[in-house]
Amino acid sequence: GEEVAQTPKHLVRGEGQKAKLYCAPIKGHSYVFWYQQVLKNEFKFLISFQNENVFDETGMPKERFSAKCLPNSPCSLEIQATKLEDSAVYFCASSQSSGSGYNEQFFGPGTRLTVL
Amino acid sequence: AQSVAQPEDQVNVAEGNPLTVKCTYSVSGNPYLFWYVQYPNRGLQFLLKYITGDNLVKGSYGFEAEFNKSQTSFHLKKPSALVSDSALYFCAVRALEGRRALTFGSGTRLQVQP
Repeated sequence: GEEVAQTPKHLVRGEGQKAKLYCAPIKGHSYVFWYQQVLKNEFKFLISFQNENVFDETGMPKERFSAKCLPNSPCSLEIQATKLEDSAVYFCASSQSSGSGYNEQFFGPGTRLTVL
Repeated sequence: AQSVAQPEDQVNVAEGNPLTVKCTYSVSGNPYLFWYVQYPNRGLQFLLKYITGDNLVKGSYGFEAEFNKSQTSFHLKKPSALVSDSALYFCAVRALEGRRALTFGSGTRLQVQP
């Protein structure tokens, strides 16, 4: 597709429950990024993929967060045992591949996760 | 480490007047700079980017940005503001070589009054 698609739009979980978010990147884009936007508009990078391979996971809280990008499937971000502080909007972005790496990222509409 | 500062939480401007949204950055090596706009309950929309070359970059919706290496700034500008420009604006810098993640500023809310 021509836009990054994210599902669901909203997700409500009780503390300790699992949450799974999905992202379909723009067709032909090789890179996928996940960001977390918390209160005060702060963006935090979580993880990026080059095709189905993890490219950069320096932002991932690995003890509870995991992510995948498998061929012919939407990418996913999963949070095991959610905590109150996981409440945020999670954005997925994709970009084309080029040797320079200067391509802009295109963002999806986000998934708002509320942990109660 | 790299960082982006947007010193103004909010900028107010009258419709028809020029607008400037400020951004300064800190990064090792060459900076790759971006501006995005976020409307309520929407994702980020790309406005423009600076990679190399001309210091004045033109982007979508009549916006432009000026790269100033000596002042490490990348201010967003528009000659004549529209009420529909009211939104949240983010400046971002691309991370170090080998990484492609963006580091964002804290955002500036632009309010254009009729």
